[in-house]
Amino acid sequence: NAGVTQTPKFQVLKTGQSMTLQCAQDMNHEYMSWYRQDPGMGLRLIHYSVGAGITDQGEVPNGYNVSRSTTEDFPLRLLSAAPSQTSVYFCASSHNGPLSTGELFFGEGSRLTVL
Amino acid sequence: SQQGEEDPQALSIQEGENATMNCSYKTSINNLQWYRQNSGRGLVHLILIRSNEREKHSGRLRVTLDTSKKSSSLLITASRAADTASYFCATADISNFGNEKLTFGTGTRLTIIP
Repeated sequence: NAGVTQTPKFQVLKTGQSMTLQCAQDMNHEYMSWYRQDPGMGLRLIHYSVGAGITDQGEVPNGYNVSRSTTEDFPLRLLSAAPSQTSVYFCASSHNGPLSTGELFFGEGSRLTVL
Repeated sequence: SQQGEEDPQALSIQEGENATMNCSYKTSINNLQWYRQNSGRGLVHLILIRSNEREKHSGRLRVTLDTSKKSSSLLITASRAADTASYFCATADISNFGNEKLTFGTGTRLTIIP
C-alpha cells in the first residue's frame, strides 16, 4: 500500500493563478482532510470529508475549494492564489474520523510558494 | 484558533535522558492524540488517549491525561538520536460532535544530543 499520496511535492505560483493539489489514499478510508502548516502556528484544518459526496469546512477554508467524488481522492483547489497561501499543505486520512477511529495517516506534504 | 498549546516550544536533552512535553487545551474532548514530525516529512501518529483514560503506554512512550486541568503530557524514556523531531498534540472535541475535526497544537521541537 502506498498510503496517502500527495502531488505535486513542490509548486511555485504567481498571485492570481489557480491550481489543484492532489491527494489519493489506497486504504479505503472514509475520512479525508487537508491541513496547512505555517511556522509557529502548527497545523490548521482547511476542509475535511467524512465520505464520498460530503465535505465540510475547517478552521481556515477561505480561498480553498474541495470535492469528494470518490472514496480515494480529495483534491484541494486554490482558485486565485495569494501570497498568504504560501505554506506546506498536508492531506490526511483515517478509517472513520477523529472521534471514532482517531488515528490520522498523513501524506508527505506539498510545499507551495505564491509570488 | 489553536486548541492545544505545547510546552516547552523547544527542548534539548542528552541521549539516554527522558523527555517530557506538555499540552494544554481549552474545551471538552473526546480524545487526545500525539504525533511526531521529522523535518520535512508528514506527521506520524504515536498514541491516542480517550477522555475516560488517565494514562497510556506504548513502548518508550507514556501519555497522561488530566481532564480536570485540561492537560496532557508525553514522556519519552531513554531518548535516542532518532527521537529528534517535532511533537504535536491534537484534540477531537466533544463540542464538535458530528463535526469530525482534529485540532493541532503548535508543537514542541525536541533535539536529542548524542
